[in-house]
Amino acid sequence: GEDVEQSLFLSVREGDSSVINCTYTDSSSTYLYWYKQEPGAGLQLLTYIFSNMDMKQDQRLTVLLNKKDKHLSLRIADTQTGDSAIYFCAESPNSGGYQKVTFGTGTKLQVIP
Amino acid sequence: DADVTQTPRNRITKTGKRIMLECSQTKGHDRMYWYRQDPGLGLRLIYYSFDVKDINKGEISDGYSVSRQAQAKFSLSLESAIPNQTALYFCATSGGAERNYGYTFGSGTRLTVV
Repeated sequence: GEDVEQSLFLSVREGDSSVINCTYTDSSSTYLYWYKQEPGAGLQLLTYIFSNMDMKQDQRLTVLLNKKDKHLSLRIADTQTGDSAIYFCAESPNSGGYQKVTFGTGTKLQVIP
Repeated sequence: DADVTQTPRNRITKTGKRIMLECSQTKGHDRMYWYRQDPGLGLRLIYYSFDVKDINKGEISDGYSVSRQAQAKFSLSLESAIPNQTALYFCATSGGAERNYGYTFGSGTRLTVV
């Protein structure tokens, strides 16, 4: 079945860039997502990218997709303490019907002041 | 008001008890999902529903049941709670023109079975 893998933990200093990586196995993945979960809250969609794109930038966030290696990354520029959260990578095939989304295990980002 | 509301936010129950977690949404989405989150395991799908008459099992449906009472309401029941069902439970929705653009999640229900 489909699998999405992430490292469990990342620590960065405030002001540095953070790069959170994700690999997936489903070659039919069409939609790839990054979600953010703050303590005590649900997951919030940060950004998404279609498989026909290599990069997407949205303010401090840059998503890079290497479809050949099935590798997705999220770069957060000028990381702030408010960016401390768990970040989930997720993928979905273009099934045309039910959009089965597979989530990774989440990467906990710790920002050190 | 939140787009997706889950009740209760926290619940402690005893082994063997029946418990219901409720989810309601104001997004107008046709699709609703129940996930559980465990540390180090990410999110696992319990049940999903495309509309009121369509209910489907996810990857870990054993020990759970659901009811889609209306398009806006989707409840999850634990028929006889056991300690390994202690987890954080999330309801999510998707649909309409936003169907491919990710889910909207509720804030979660933290369930502890003792």
